[in-house]
Amino acid sequence: GAVVSQHPSRVICKSGTSVKIECRSLDFQATTMFWYRQFPKQSLMLMATSNEGSKATYEQGVEKDKFLINHASLTLSTLTVTSAHPEDSSFYICSATSSMVMNTEAFFGQGTRLTVV
Amino acid sequence: RKEVEQDPGPFNVPEGATVAFNCTYSNSASQSFFWYRQDCRKEPKLLMSVYSSGNEDGRFTAQLNRASQYISLLIRDSKLSDSATYLCVVNRGSQGNLIFGKGTKLSVKP
Repeated sequence: GAVVSQHPSRVICKSGTSVKIECRSLDFQATTMFWYRQFPKQSLMLMATSNEGSKATYEQGVEKDKFLINHASLTLSTLTVTSAHPEDSSFYICSATSSMVMNTEAFFGQGTRLTVV
Repeated sequence: RKEVEQDPGPFNVPEGATVAFNCTYSNSASQSFFWYRQDCRKEPKLLMSVYSSGNEDGRFTAQLNRASQYISLLIRDSKLSDSATYLCVVNRGSQGNLIFGKGTKLSVKP
């Protein structure tokens, strides 16, 4: 299957700093990338959807100025958590899909475990 | 109504049991349906796509009822390694975002 690489897998940062998470599709053109967040013992929650070359669409309740998403190419999307706080500590996962293929599944990155101290 | 709703679980079953998970979705324009499996602290992995005609993959059978907007997953002869959280996933209309259900946790005991 297609490969999506997410980096870093784990990051610890100080409160108030920013953290950038990268999501790369290695062997296909990801026209759409999704960013999810998962708190312990809870389900994946969609944060935003980004289409290559356009602004991300954020889900209700997700602050676009806090969670900056860039999808400048068909193989890379980034999520930057700005001015991180301890409550932002969570498991962030990206997934990628291609609109060039009908009814395609989504391919997931390995996830990033963010801890804000 | 939530976009995707699943049995809350958890399901605790003995090895060899048959277990069924149910899922309903609210968007009648949804075109793609999947079951994903997520192990603790790992990313979700596709278990199987769900087709209108129903489909089977070994011990796993998925069914879709578009009229009722209902999806099911049947696992026969449960194995210890089947223990995981099973996520019902539906797209938000054609080519739309994938929306996940809250997942149903399955624990298979010896």
